[in-house]
Formats: sequence, C-alpha cells, structure tokens
Amino acid sequence: ETGVTQTPRHLVMGMTNKKSLKCEQHLGHNAMYWYKQSAKKPLELMFVYNFKEQTENNSVPSRFSPECPNSSHLFLHLHTLQPEDSALYLCASSQEFLSGNLYNEQFFGPGTRLTVL
Amino acid sequence: GDSVTQMEGPVTLSEEAFLTINCTYTATGYPSLFWYVQYPGEGLQLLLKATKADDKGSNKGFEATYRKETTSFHLEKGSVQVSDSAVYFCALSDRGSSGSARQLTFGSGTQLTVLP
Repeated sequence: ETGVTQTPRHLVMGMTNKKSLKCEQHLGHNAMYWYKQSAKKPLELMFVYNFKEQTENNSVPSRFSPECPNSSHLFLHLHTLQPEDSALYLCASSQEFLSGNLYNEQFFGPGTRLTVL
Repeated sequence: GDSVTQMEGPVTLSEEAFLTINCTYTATGYPSLFWYVQYPGEGLQLLLKATKADDKGSNKGFEATYRKETTSFHLEKGSVQVSDSAVYFCALSDRGSSGSARQLTFGSGTQLTVLP
C-alpha cells in the first residue's frame, strides 16, 4: 500500500450503532487529520494529531471519538450518530516541522462515505 | 480567523476554453496557499502551491500567483480538457491555535465540467 488508505470506503449505519473508521498512512508522516466533507459546505477540520498527541478539536460532538495509537494509524470511533452526520470523512497526513516556516502539504485518503439512517 | 472565499460554481466550459477560478483569502499571518483537486470518488490531491508573495505555482498546465496586495490566488489554465472535470478547492495553511501543527482552511470548492 502507498499513500493514505482508508477503510471502509462506504459505511451505512443506524443511529444506535457503533462503528469505527480507519486511516493508515504509509508516508512516514508525523501529523494526521480528520475532515468532514458535506454537500455544499467547505471541508471541516475535525481533529488534528501531531506526534500522536491531539492538538486540535474543532468543537466536534462527543459522538465522534478519535484515536491515534501511533503515527501511522488514526481511527474515528462513531456512536449514536445523527442523520446529519452523513458525509464523506477524509483522513490526511503531513510532515510537520518543529520550527521554521515550511509549508505542510497534506496528503489525503480517498475517504469513507458514511450514511446514517 | 482565517478564511477562503472561492468562486461559486458550477462552471461549465467547452474543451480548449480558458479557465479562471477566483480565490481570495483573509489571514492574520503569512500563509501558504494551495489549490487541491478532487476527482469523482477520490480524495483531494494537491494541484499546486505557493509559499510566499509573488510566487507562482504551476502543474499540469494550471497556474496561480500569490498576490499579497489583493489577497488572491486565482487558478488559471489556458486550454482545459475533458479530463480536468473535477472539484477544485483553494486553501491556505497557517499555524493552528496550539502552534504545533499547521492547519488548512478550505474554500467551498468549485465544480468544473468540461464538455467535448
């Protein structure tokens, strides 16, 4: 595998289910991200992990719970979701530098298309 | 906070037409600017980037120039192809509130359809 992979690619779940989305990056990066992409809305940054530590949580409801066990893997645990949570969930990774003004190119996975019934 | 305003779509062009997608931004610091492209059923791919004022990013015939005076980063291509049909996102990168990782702020995306 190369780049950023996400599984599953499609997921349909009921509001009472518990499921998890998985992301794996094969690029040796040290930062990983979860984004939500809804129809007709800009991409929303949900969580940022830098060196396995969560550094950003953009007011995401607690029914979304991220987990980053190591710098290559990122999970998004889902429980008691709402229909409005249906969206494309994108994972990304980048190489962050501790100093300097270097840009970070984020590499994206193909996404998981989530439908909540 | 940072924001990106992008030309509303959808945009429909004939093959070989000239393309411009406008993008303006607001940022407190000195951001890097990006154009990402999303083909149907795929994630976002970096198309081009510019890290400082007057830089020109280019790739696959697309170009964009970082204009600090007008806070703009318009995407252009002289002759589009059917294969360019996709959604294009303008984005800027700046330090997050924790200062430990840069974050991307995206525009709303512009759907481009190129007809043969």
